[in-house]
Amino acid sequence: DIQMTQSPSSLSASVGDRVTITCRASQDIRSFLAWFQQKPGKAPRSLIYYASSLQGGVSAKFSGSGSGTDFNLTISSLQPEDFATYFCQQYNSHPLTFGGGTKVEIK
Amino acid sequence: QVQLVESGGGVVQPGKSLRLSCAASGFTFVRHGFHWVRQAPGKGLEWLAVISFDGNSEYYADSVKGRFSISRDNSKNTIYLQMNSLRDADTAVYYCARDSKEYRFGYSDYWGQGTLVTVSS
Repeated sequence: DIQMTQSPSSLSASVGDRVTITCRASQDIRSFLAWFQQKPGKAPRSLIYYASSLQGGVSAKFSGSGSGTDFNLTISSLQPEDFATYFCQQYNSHPLTFGGGTKVEIK
Repeated sequence: QVQLVESGGGVVQPGKSLRLSCAASGFTFVRHGFHWVRQAPGKGLEWLAVISFDGNSEYYADSVKGRFSISRDNSKNTIYLQMNSLRDADTAVYYCARDSKEYRFGYSDYWGQGTLVTVSS
């Protein structure tokens, strides 16, 4: 199975900050990586697919990059509604696997 | 609009069985595969299973292989997760999610609100 390692597991940031979250796959997953946002008590929401494609209706302040084994999710200017937990997921091969999550908190 | 509504959660004793349902609407059901994903209290997301658009292919996480079974009823636009031999560690919110691709496998683009399963004696 492919292991997904996210870092950091948590971070504190201020409104307006640029934030980058990293996801590393244990083997080559080409560009088959998705990013999700989850707020407390809510279902995950799709943000990015195929490493860098923005899901419809998602703000362009979110961007994804990378291919192979190393990927990033960047939030260009953090807003109050962006404080949440973010997960990456590889869908290159089954079983699909998620990263452990990154909790973005207010500084 | 795409809507997924899970049901069937509740409190169940260890070793017992439970079947979750996920009713889908707002899109052409037979063109898409579906996933089940769970989240234990305070923990991350764990992918469990996927079924193809035609029901001919299924894949499972090792943690549930042989105990859980995913199925679909295209006449009812509904996905199921049959869970047998339940353990305390299966306590979680269970989400169903639509696969993004038509006629093949992709990622989960739309999610239901989840249903809570509590395994406890």
